Amino acid sequence: AQTVTQSQPEMSVQEAETVTLSCTYDTSESNYYLFWYKQPPSRQMILVIRQEAYKQQNATENRFSVNFQKAAKSFSLKISDSQLGDTAMYFCAFMKGSGGSNYKLTFGKGTLLTVNP
Amino acid sequence: GAGVSQTPSNKVTEKGKYVELRCDPISGHTALYWYRQSLGQGPEFLIYFQGTGAADDSGLPNDRFFAVRPEGSVSTLKIQRTERGDSAVYLCASSSDGLTEQYFGPGTRLTVT
Repeated sequence: AQTVTQSQPEMSVQEAETVTLSCTYDTSESNYYLFWYKQPPSRQMILVIRQEAYKQQNATENRFSVNFQKAAKSFSLKISDSQLGDTAMYFCAFMKGSGGSNYKLTFGKGTLLTVNP
Repeated sequence: GAGVSQTPSNKVTEKGKYVELRCDPISGHTALYWYRQSLGQGPEFLIYFQGTGAADDSGLPNDRFFAVRPEGSVSTLKIQRTERGDSAVYLCASSSDGLTEQYFGPGTRLTVT
């Protein structure tokens, strides 16, 4: 079974600064996907960024980028130029990529990020 | 287009009662998932549908929980003899084929008193 660990229950950052959220995972799979989801108070889970394990290049989406270290099983999220609207719970998630498998997501417990003005 | 919708948004019920939670996925999405999110936790997988069939129901906690998707679109999660421990937010997600992005609905907050 896969496990996802987010060791930072809460973090805060000043507006316009950079913050990094940590995530580690454990799996015996060789083919998988990793995700960061954002959940604001509205409860709507929103995909922030996705990384395929077979890709060495770190994924980037505008102000959001990841540092994917496959050997260390680490997948951190960096948010640059933090904005007030980035305030939310952030969840790291894992999905097996094997053909014919159930593509369920396994989530960490989340990190509450607060962006201060 | 419309996203994933879930009804009701909030449901309060008494211990022992039966509840149904509805999920309307994005049109054309064949894969549908139910997750349960307890307070302070990440979502936990309950069940996965590919079309009309439950491809994996290994996350259902016990036989009081059941889900259907009779026409391969709308899904209903059914909970019998509710218990206070069932209180949580129930999230539904859909994706076009199970491998691409899962789009989540806003969830149903279930409170069992």
